[in-house]
Amino acid sequence: QKEVEQNSGPLSVPEGAIASLNCTYSDRGSQSFFWYRQYSGKSPELIMSIYSNGDKEDGRFTAQLNKASQYVSLLIRDSQPSDSATYLCAVIQGAQKLVFGQGTRLTINP
Amino acid sequence: DTGVSQDPRHKITKRGQNVTFRCDPISEHNRLYWYRQTLGQGPEFLTYFQNEAQLEKSRLLSDRFSAERPKGSFSTLEIQRTEQGDSAMYLCASSWTSGYQETQYFGPGTRLLVL
Repeated sequence: QKEVEQNSGPLSVPEGAIASLNCTYSDRGSQSFFWYRQYSGKSPELIMSIYSNGDKEDGRFTAQLNKASQYVSLLIRDSQPSDSATYLCAVIQGAQKLVFGQGTRLTINP
Repeated sequence: DTGVSQDPRHKITKRGQNVTFRCDPISEHNRLYWYRQTLGQGPEFLTYFQNEAQLEKSRLLSDRFSAERPKGSFSTLEIQRTEQGDSAMYLCASSWTSGYQETQYFGPGTRLLVL
């Protein structure tokens, strides 16, 4: 079992719809969770961090965390073509290092 | 621009050559990380520094790899006797630790191609 698992996609969503990205992790002791966006050929860019169970909203983005189910999700409302990218879920392992999933490729269709 | 910077952005080398990459973190950040990313995969942790001390190294970091962070400022990652399997994007990230909530910010990366 991989430490952080994501569906690699591609996930195709029409413009204006809600995109839902999911991630599961194996280390039940994990406390810090992150979503990064990565455009092709570029480096990861932080979108959201979440540390507590429940929802955290920032503009069009909502991160959801369920530690009991070891599940993190990212919702993107009113999806725009500029949201087309690979979305990386990451978990802090041990005290410091990020462990990433393989990423989900999202395409927003105009 | 006060973000993380990396140099060079691209490097093409021949197998067996040595290469060195540089990372300049965000100035007030005390932690610096190196990751490697291959096509279609998420970044993988290589090593990290807190100030000038190298505190953890991944099993991915073979003895051909060495990293330094003199004086707790910039960091270098050297790969000796490069192999084709070293071709990847090398990412540097930095963070400031204050309690358990820590956010890592990535630089633009150095893309290495070993021929």
